[in-house]
Amino acid sequence: ETGVTQTPRHLVMGMTNKKSLKCEQHLGHNAMYWYKQSAKKPLELMFVYSLEERVENNSVPSRFSPECPNSSHLFLHLHTLQPEDSALYLCASSQEGQGPKGYTFGSGTRLTVV
Amino acid sequence: AQKITQTQPGMFVQEKEAVTLDCTYDTSDPSYGLFWYKQPSSGEMIFLIYQGSYDQQNATEGRYSLNFQKARKSANLVISASQLGDSAMYFCAMREGVTSGTYKYIFGTGTRLKVLA
Repeated sequence: ETGVTQTPRHLVMGMTNKKSLKCEQHLGHNAMYWYKQSAKKPLELMFVYSLEERVENNSVPSRFSPECPNSSHLFLHLHTLQPEDSALYLCASSQEGQGPKGYTFGSGTRLTVV
Repeated sequence: AQKITQTQPGMFVQEKEAVTLDCTYDTSDPSYGLFWYKQPSSGEMIFLIYQGSYDQQNATEGRYSLNFQKARKSANLVISASQLGDSAMYFCAMREGVTSGTYKYIFGTGTRLKVLA
């Protein structure tokens, strides 16, 4: 266990479904992130939350909707996805303001859109 | 524009030997950080090592060392005494603006390392 827990580990959903990915960190970090990892492509930063405020939104389609109700939890709400959205979605957290440190990542949610 | 390049999609190394994974970067920011992560088949990304742009010495963490050549903009990862458990994807990443509190990390496409028994 890394201290960042993602659920579910695997998700298969139809294009008309609505689902949510959950991320929880037990490290007391003050920033949380969603990344998308597709085959043979670099990790793509989707959203950044710092102290529960969204500070980055990298031109992500509106069918992805993040939510950060508190500093320990981060959600990614999904609706009307496309097959090209199938990927590994990684959540990460970090403690900002104390020098450059690496992320702590979760194990990811493997999403398949059918 | 900021960029990370990993030119080796796959590498093989014999167990107990050393291996170098290449990473070059491009940035105009004088303050940046370079990271290496390991991603085993389980999916999670594991932080390995960090090098700051102003660090005078190359970073080392156990069997991992970072060969930082600032003028060449390279940050190669050296794994000594390879073990079967080192088989994984390895990602180089860069963060700009480490003193200004920005959050932008960019990642390379990764190198898949296979350690042979």
